[in-house]
Amino acid sequence: GQNIDQPTEMTATEGAIVQINCTYQTSGFNGLFWYQQHAGEAPTFLSYNVLDGLEEKGRFSSFLSRSKGYSYLLLKELQMKDSASYLCAVRDSGGYQKVTFGIGTKLQVIP
Amino acid sequence: EPEVTQTPSHQVTQMGQEVILRCVPISNHLYFYWYRQILGQKVEFLVSFYNNEISEKSEIFDDQFSVERPDGSNFTLKIRSTKLEDSAMYFCASSGTGGLTGELFFGEGSRLTVL
Repeated sequence: GQNIDQPTEMTATEGAIVQINCTYQTSGFNGLFWYQQHAGEAPTFLSYNVLDGLEEKGRFSSFLSRSKGYSYLLLKELQMKDSASYLCAVRDSGGYQKVTFGIGTKLQVIP
Repeated sequence: EPEVTQTPSHQVTQMGQEVILRCVPISNHLYFYWYRQILGQKVEFLVSFYNNEISEKSEIFDDQFSVERPDGSNFTLKIRSTKLEDSAMYFCASSGTGGLTGELFFGEGSRLTVL
């Protein structure tokens, strides 16, 4: 099975940088996703890591260390619209099998 | 841009009734999923579907639930004899064989309220 841990809430200031951490223990691993979910809406894809290292995509970056079972999502130049939940999710090994989500980190961006 | 569509967006039903939630995945995708999210809780995996059969299901997905792909486009989730605790947002998702990540594309969800 999968066990995914991430902080439940964070607060950060507009224009700042915030790092959201995720740790996981899994029986199999075939990639880690970060999704954004605004209240009452569907999750939307942000990033994917399957190899160790940093993936950068505009204001968002995601890092993975498979040996440590650790990932983080880095959001730069925070905007008010970034207030949302950020979901860490792990895909089982074996191809396009199930993706298990963490509880999500609710980020509040304040002026 | 292709998207996953779900109907209905909101359904209210009486306990014990049957509901069918419908999804149209992205047309060239081959892998289909149902997830649910109880208010304030995490997105939970229910079932994955590939090549016209269930590829994996969670412990939540018991005999009360069933999935079907009745034609080339629709993917349905049937919940028999609904219970109060079935009240949740149900998300359909699909993923394709191409692309770099195989990320899941989610529909907007069907909110089920059981009274």
